[in-house]
Amino acid sequence: ETGVTQTPRHLVMGMTNKKSLKCEQHLGHNAMYWYKQSAKKPLELMFVYNFKEQTENNSVPSRFSPECPNSSHLFLHLHTLQPEDSALYLCASSQNLAGGWGERETQYFGPGTRLLVL
Amino acid sequence: AQKVTQAQTEISVVEKEDVTLDCVYETRDTTYYLFWYKQPPSGELVFLIRRNSFDEQNEISGRYSWNFQKSTSSFNFTITASQVVDSAVYFCALSGHTQGGSEKLVFGKGTKLTVNP
Repeated sequence: ETGVTQTPRHLVMGMTNKKSLKCEQHLGHNAMYWYKQSAKKPLELMFVYNFKEQTENNSVPSRFSPECPNSSHLFLHLHTLQPEDSALYLCASSQNLAGGWGERETQYFGPGTRLLVL
Repeated sequence: AQKVTQAQTEISVVEKEDVTLDCVYETRDTTYYLFWYKQPPSGELVFLIRRNSFDEQNEISGRYSWNFQKSTSSFNFTITASQVVDSAVYFCALSGHTQGGSEKLVFGKGTKLTVNP
């Protein structure tokens, strides 16, 4: 059983649909992340939440809307997506210390949601 | 800006062969961390190792070993006596920061390793 879970594992949606991806971490971490993994491209950071507060939006289109109700849960709300948004969406969590990267800050990833936009 | 280069896109070996995955990085940070992750077909990124930039000692964990050389900005990963279960995409990553100051991982494009029986 992984410390970071994601649901659903697979999702097919039309361009006019609205759906949400869910991530839950059971590691007691205080930071959570959304990454996008497209074919033949490096993993791209989308959003960062520290202590439930969004600290980074990496120029992500507004059709992606994150939500972090508490330190254990992270959502990615999707609406009016485009076919080029088809990708593997990975959630990660870490225990971040103030002042930047530290000895304990390793990001642990969930299994991802494979999204296909038709 | 930080950058990670994994020049090998795909590698194919026969079981029991040794294989080395290359990773070269660029950073202006004086303190940084390097990582290797494994991504099997199931999709999950599995953490393998973390290395502090001040610690250049090589590390061995079972059949896995890592060679960190600061002089050449490389952090290579060797699998000894490879097995079919080692087949996966392997990512090298570097600690970095976003423009907003948040911590982030900078990933290479990954090396797909196929171990044939």
